[in-house]
Amino acid sequence: EVQLVESGGGVVRPGGSLRLSCAASGFTFDDYGMSWVRQAPGKGLEWVSGINWNGGSTGYADSVKGRFTISRDNAKNSLYLQMNSLRAEDTALYHCARGATACDYWGQGTLVTVSS
Amino acid sequence: QLVLTQSPSASASLGASVKLTCTLSSGHSSYAIAWHQQQPEKGPRYLMKLNSDGSHSKGDGIPDRFSGSSSGAERYLTISSLQSEDEADYYCQTWGTGIQGVFGGGTKLTVL
Repeated sequence: EVQLVESGGGVVRPGGSLRLSCAASGFTFDDYGMSWVRQAPGKGLEWVSGINWNGGSTGYADSVKGRFTISRDNAKNSLYLQMNSLRAEDTALYHCARGATACDYWGQGTLVTVSS
Repeated sequence: QLVLTQSPSASASLGASVKLTCTLSSGHSSYAIAWHQQQPEKGPRYLMKLNSDGSHSKGDGIPDRFSGSSSGAERYLTISSLQSEDEADYYCQTWGTGIQGVFGGGTKLTVL
């Protein structure tokens, strides 16, 4: 069974940093690209970032470019999102998803709240 | 610019069928998309990948009541024999060259 479990969310002040993690199981992790997708309270889904199978290719939404960094550790079956210079508008539930194109499995998400 | 457009809301009666639409921006009519369902207070669930020729591959456990079709820049999700649990938000997703993802704004489906 495919499982994606996010962690690392929390409350952080504007300008602060957080590192999200996603532990993957139930599939061969390095066969797949991966994505981060977020959902602000009461809003729709927003693609944040994606990475190919070996980390050699990445992409970012314009809203996070230069502030967020996606990475992966295939030996640990883990995906990461380093978030710097956080803003109030980054407040959202952050989902890890399998696939750098169609996201065919989703985690339940980890909540990030940026507030002073 | 790669953009997906969805109607904000739709409604249909219990047991009926409904067809939701996702429209690709100009110049992107050959792109494949994915459909996702998000029931209230739950995480998203992948329904299917839908190609420009209408062929589609569904996710694990997705009932036959869910089907996809395409016409030009339009991508459709048809849900037949509507059930109460189909009341949800439905999102389309696509991806550009390189690694670049896009979601539509979502359609809130109400089952009457």
